[in-house]
Amino acid sequence: QKEVEQNSGPLSVPEGAIASLNCTYSDRVSQSFFWYRQYSGKSPELIMSIYSNGDKEDGRFTAQLNKASQYVSLLIRDSQPSDSATYLCAVNGNYGQNFVFGPGTRLSVLP
Amino acid sequence: EAGVAQSPRYKIIEKRQSVAFWCNPISGHATLYWYQQILGQGPKLLIQFQNNGVVDDSQLPKDRFSAERLKGVDSTLKIQPAKLEDSAVYLCASSSLAGGATGELFFGEGSRLTVL
Repeated sequence: QKEVEQNSGPLSVPEGAIASLNCTYSDRVSQSFFWYRQYSGKSPELIMSIYSNGDKEDGRFTAQLNKASQYVSLLIRDSQPSDSATYLCAVNGNYGQNFVFGPGTRLSVLP
Repeated sequence: EAGVAQSPRYKIIEKRQSVAFWCNPISGHATLYWYQQILGQGPKLLIQFQNNGVVDDSQLPKDRFSAERLKGVDSTLKIQPAKLEDSAVYLCASSSLAGGATGELFFGEGSRLTVL
């Protein structure tokens, strides 16, 4: 069974700082990698996806993927209190099969 | 566009009773997922359907959980008999065929189960 691990939280950063979230995965054949955000009492929502090695930027968010190290990360620049949530790393095999989530890292951005 | 609909939102039952959850995915979405999310943990995949066929049910406790997706549209997840450790939020998600590969899952609001 594929495993996805994330850095244990909670992670607290001051407003305006960079938040760094990390994820490792066990299945080398994993194809696609995702970051979901989940506010307390709400359902997860997709914020970033990345498929090839390197960096992908979308606004204040940057996802980084290193398939050789089986590692994916999410950087949030200029963190805002509204970014306070649990961030879930998810990994996917071919054709949408075996879509597995990590345990999540809770982020608190302090005003 | 209507989102993923789930019901009931909340359910409280005694252990050994049965419960059923219903999910109606976004219209046209071929893939439907049921996840169990225990408080403080990430979602755990229970079963994945593509149209009305099962793609993955390797983590479904088949002695007590069952799921079906008749006609490839809405789906029902049943637990019988329930145990205390089944207390969780049951999330239904759907995706298009392409979206399943790209990770774009759309989640319903979830059904929160409390087993006493």
